[in-house]
Amino acid sequence: EDQVTQSPEALRLQEGESSSLNCSYTVSGLRGLFWYRQDPGKGPEFLFTLYSAGEEKEKERLKATLTKKESFLHITAPKPEDSATYLCAVQALGGDDKIIFGKGTRLHILP
Amino acid sequence: DVKVTQSSRYLVKRTGEKVFLECVQDMDHENMFWYRQDPGLGLRLIYFSYDVKMKEKGDIPEGYSVSREKKERFSLILESASTNQTSMYLCASSFLRKSSTDTQYFGPGTRLTVL
Repeated sequence: EDQVTQSPEALRLQEGESSSLNCSYTVSGLRGLFWYRQDPGKGPEFLFTLYSAGEEKEKERLKATLTKKESFLHITAPKPEDSATYLCAVQALGGDDKIIFGKGTRLHILP
Repeated sequence: DVKVTQSSRYLVKRTGEKVFLECVQDMDHENMFWYRQDPGLGLRLIYFSYDVKMKEKGDIPEGYSVSREKKERFSLILESASTNQTSMYLCASSFLRKSSTDTQYFGPGTRLTVL
C-alpha cells in the first residue's frame, strides 16, 4: 500500500538554527513529490514539486531534495515567520491520480 | 497566480441540515478536489472531478455528494449534516489531466461546525 510518513511530528528550533524535515514514501513508482506549507486555519500553500531522485529545489531559506525513498526539506537559518506545518504529498505512477498526503511536521521557530 | 476561493471561511449548521460548500478556481483547471482535514488524521480525499459533470469517489465519500456543472466551480454537498462532519474542508484544483504530474493548489478552507 502506498504510504507517506513525515518526521518528526513537531519540531521547535531557535531562530537561526538550521534543521531538516523528513518525508519517507513507499509507492510502486513515483510520479511526483510535493511540499506544502500550511498556516493555522488556512489552506496549504504550494512550495515545490520534485520529479526524480537527485533533484533539488530552493526557495528563500527552504531547500527540498529527493532520493528514491525519501525527501528532505532543509531549513537554513529559520526565522519565526517560517513557523507553520509542512506537508509532504506523493503522486504514484499508474492507477488513478490521487495524491497521498503525510500528516505533516509542525515547525515552531522561537525568536 | 492560481486562485482558488471557497464560499465561506466559517460555517455553523445544525444536525440534519443540508449544507452546500462552494469552490471556484480562476485558472481554467481541469481537475478539482474536495478534502477534509482533521487533527491526527491529515488530509483525506472526499471526491474529485476531472471534467464538467464528472465525479469520482475519494477515500471517504459517505455522507457527501458533489456537483460540477461548470468547469470553474465544484460544490460539496452534505445531504444531512451530522456532528462527525465537523471539520476543515479544503478545495483544490490542478491543471493537468491523467498520466501527468499534477500540482494541486488549495483554497483557504471552510471551517464547518455541526451542532
